[in-house]
Amino acid sequence: SQQGEEDPQALSIQEGENATMNCSYKTSINNLQWYRQNSGRGLVHLILIRSNEREKHSGRLRVTLDTSKKSSSLLITASRAADTASYFCATDAAGANSKLTFGKGITLSVRP
Amino acid sequence: NAGVMQNPRHLVRRRGQEARLRCSPMKGHSHVYWYRQLPEEGLKFMVYLQKENIIDESGMPKERFSAEFPKEGPSILRIQQVVRGDSAAYFCASQNNRDRETQYFGPGTRLLVL
Repeated sequence: SQQGEEDPQALSIQEGENATMNCSYKTSINNLQWYRQNSGRGLVHLILIRSNEREKHSGRLRVTLDTSKKSSSLLITASRAADTASYFCATDAAGANSKLTFGKGITLSVRP
Repeated sequence: NAGVMQNPRHLVRRRGQEARLRCSPMKGHSHVYWYRQLPEEGLKFMVYLQKENIIDESGMPKERFSAEFPKEGPSILRIQQVVRGDSAAYFCASQNNRDRETQYFGPGTRLLVL
């Protein structure tokens, strides 16, 4: 199985609610990153958390990292319809030339 | 400062033809990564290049695929004798020497093989 597996695979919530997405990985990492992709578009970098960090905030985003469990979560607070997109976690494995390993992604739908 | 540029944005090829995908990194970036995204999948690493050198091609199929990043000009991902299974979105990302954590992605080239 692959590095960087997200769950759930799909998430549907009402505007204003919070969305929590999880990611698990298998190897030692330098950092873990979350990206957003709107349908048919490129990737937008959301947030990066290093292996020695446990929590990070950026606007309505909060990411946590638990290296003992090899897992991360992304929380989007007060969701908006514009947050509808696919979300991917990507790991930068230690000693891997900074190449990123992506999960299959989570499809988030925010209903207005 | 322009972002990472890729062209063409859409490319249609018939089986057996060649596909050339171009990636112009951000100004001052000397590291380029290519990734492939199959429908409903995440991105998969293909190759990592620095100017004039292939550093890691562990994700690239051994046959029909090649990549280059010449001293002058864009990085090129070349697919010879395309097959239907090559239909995918191909993304490149660039990085500079000072920040080896952040990759800046281009908009992608969507290849359709008929």
